[in-house]
Amino acid sequence: SQQGEEDPQALSIQEGENATMNCSYKTSINNLQWYRQNSGRGLVHLILIRSNEREKHSGRLRVTLDTSKKSSSLLITASRAADTASYFCATSGSRLTFGEGTQLTVNP
Amino acid sequence: DTEVTQTPKHLVMGMTNKKSLKCEQHMGHRAMYWYKQKAKKPPELMFVYSYEKLSINESVPSRFSPECPNSSLLNLHLHALQPEDSALYLCASSQVPYDYGYTFGSGTRLTVV
Repeated sequence: SQQGEEDPQALSIQEGENATMNCSYKTSINNLQWYRQNSGRGLVHLILIRSNEREKHSGRLRVTLDTSKKSSSLLITASRAADTASYFCATSGSRLTFGEGTQLTVNP
Repeated sequence: DTEVTQTPKHLVMGMTNKKSLKCEQHMGHRAMYWYKQKAKKPPELMFVYSYEKLSINESVPSRFSPECPNSSLLNLHLHALQPEDSALYLCASSQVPYDYGYTFGSGTRLTVV
């Protein structure tokens, strides 16, 4: 069974706006990862945050992790049309388990 | 080389056919994975190989048979599949221990008719 839940399920914004996606999980983790998937293609690893970290940045991406609330958020700043994709959080314990995903649409 | 290569990209097979999906990586990763993904759903883990040995089988039906001939190759043998097995099959690899991001292939789109 899938561990993570993500919200919103779908998000539509204009180019230049920020996009925030949230992920909740149920069990203890070693790390939490975020992936992007363009329609019908493979997943691309975006960023990994370890259980002892609270915030991490990579380019226009900012990830936070709150282990007490078992939740994480992904912020994409200054979004572009090319950011249109599905975004999945995934928790790493003995295996990598994916959340339900957020479909992000960035309108030009 | 920082890629995972999957072949074929598309496959249509009948319920009595036998076919194989192939996956290759040359990043020196010693863990390799098969995931199954249905439309608008997250990937679901099927099998994990660690150092060429099967370490996790997520109760996958025996009509799916994985094989890891060496540290660079991973196969998924298919036999007597059902139409509900139609999905995107994703291969991934990672370093061991599993505390790193995975590298995914672009997948094989399988249709069972």
